[in-house]
Amino acid sequence: QEQLQESGPGLVKPSETLSLTCTVSGGSISGYYWSWIRQPPGKGLEWIGYIHYSGSTSYNPSLKSRVTISVDMSKNQFSLKMSSVTAADTAVYYCARGVGSSSVWGQGTLVTVSS
Amino acid sequence: QSVLTQPPSVSGAPGQRVTISCTGSSSNIGAAYDVHWYQQLPGTAPKLLIYGNSNRPSGVPDRFSGSKSGTSASLAITGLQAEDEADYYCQSYDSSLSGWVFGGGTKLTVL
Repeated sequence: QEQLQESGPGLVKPSETLSLTCTVSGGSISGYYWSWIRQPPGKGLEWIGYIHYSGSTSYNPSLKSRVTISVDMSKNQFSLKMSSVTAADTAVYYCARGVGSSSVWGQGTLVTVSS
Repeated sequence: QSVLTQPPSVSGAPGQRVTISCTGSSSNIGAAYDVHWYQQLPGTAPKLLIYGNSNRPSGVPDRFSGSKSGTSASLAITGLQAEDEADYYCQSYDSSLSGWVFGGGTKLTVL
């Protein structure tokens, strides 16, 4: 059964870069789109962006200037980088398979932006 | 302010039927983009409940159903059970924003 696992620092300082990795196990990253979604504490879901295994990407226009999503097929991983973070970027970050109708999600990882 | 509008909360007694609306516009639901629904139990990741407006993934009970008309979509839950108490989110694509959007979420309380 395919599983996704987010990993990365749980605490990031303001103005620095948030970096997360999603490791795909039990399946191949090839052939699919892969997404990042976040959820601020007590709030709703926000789509961050997606990447196709071929490397093509699409980002939320409100975050586009600060976000980069990349894929490493050799490691069966894809990654998220978000620059110039502020407290407003504090959230649980989820990785998921697919774009829209995502049927496989990671458990999520809380990233807190604080000095 | 979410692009897709959902009621903040709905409630129902066990065994009853409840519906959750998701209202969009001509740039998303009204533009014939599919609507998907997710259920998020407390402290867990969202789970795909309905895809492509009205399709259930394997394992989702037929008590859950989805529909779409014009610029709106609805999720219906019949035979309400205590374990259905969760947050529910709709999702679609928006051509004006060139991206995927979620509704603000609806908290379902089983009385």
